[in-house]
Amino acid sequence: AQSVAQPEDQVNVAEGNPLTVKCTYSVSGNPYLFWYVQYPNRGLQFLLKYITGDNLVKGSYGFEAEFNKSQTSFHLKKPSALVSDSALYFCAVREDTGFQKLVFGTGTRLLVSP
Amino acid sequence: DSGVTQTPKHLITATGQRVTLRCSPRSGDLSVYWYQQSLDQGLQFLIQYYNGEERAKGNILERFSAQQFPDLHSELNLSSLELGDSALYFCASSPQGGGSPLHFGNGTRLTVT
Repeated sequence: AQSVAQPEDQVNVAEGNPLTVKCTYSVSGNPYLFWYVQYPNRGLQFLLKYITGDNLVKGSYGFEAEFNKSQTSFHLKKPSALVSDSALYFCAVREDTGFQKLVFGTGTRLLVSP
Repeated sequence: DSGVTQTPKHLITATGQRVTLRCSPRSGDLSVYWYQQSLDQGLQFLIQYYNGEERAKGNILERFSAQQFPDLHSELNLSSLELGDSALYFCASSPQGGGSPLHFGNGTRLTVT
């Protein structure tokens, strides 16, 4: 069964600094990996995904993520954080076979200070 | 706007009651997913439907049931409600499984008193 770990409950970063939100995963086969963001009282918004190909994927709002197969990681990054990036971030994984469920991590709260 | 519509936005009910949550997927999406989000359990997958058929099941209680209708909208039925069922219930849709991202509605906040 697939699983996702987000080891940090919260990440604090100053505006203008680079940010990283960590994610590691476990699947039996090949992974489909996703990052979502959730703002208060809203649903999850899709940021980016890795299916195959380049290990560095670019997504919405200047975010990118690096897929590392040997470390089974898919960390979310942004070169320069904005206060408006403050939100709850979820990593998710699904196996690439059949109708597999999409499993989410526990979420990491990102707090960007002015 | 994700294109996924969930009703109602808020629901307050008493223990032992039954409620129905409704979801209309994005136009063209055949798959519908239900998730429960609570403070202590995170985002828990409940069930997935594809074109009217159940495709995957997660940690869904026997008191809960769901279905997807021919017009592709879906309903999640919660019965014999307990205080612990209070949570945010999300519906999501996608064209199919695999590498397609899920698009989430804004959720139904259920409060059981």
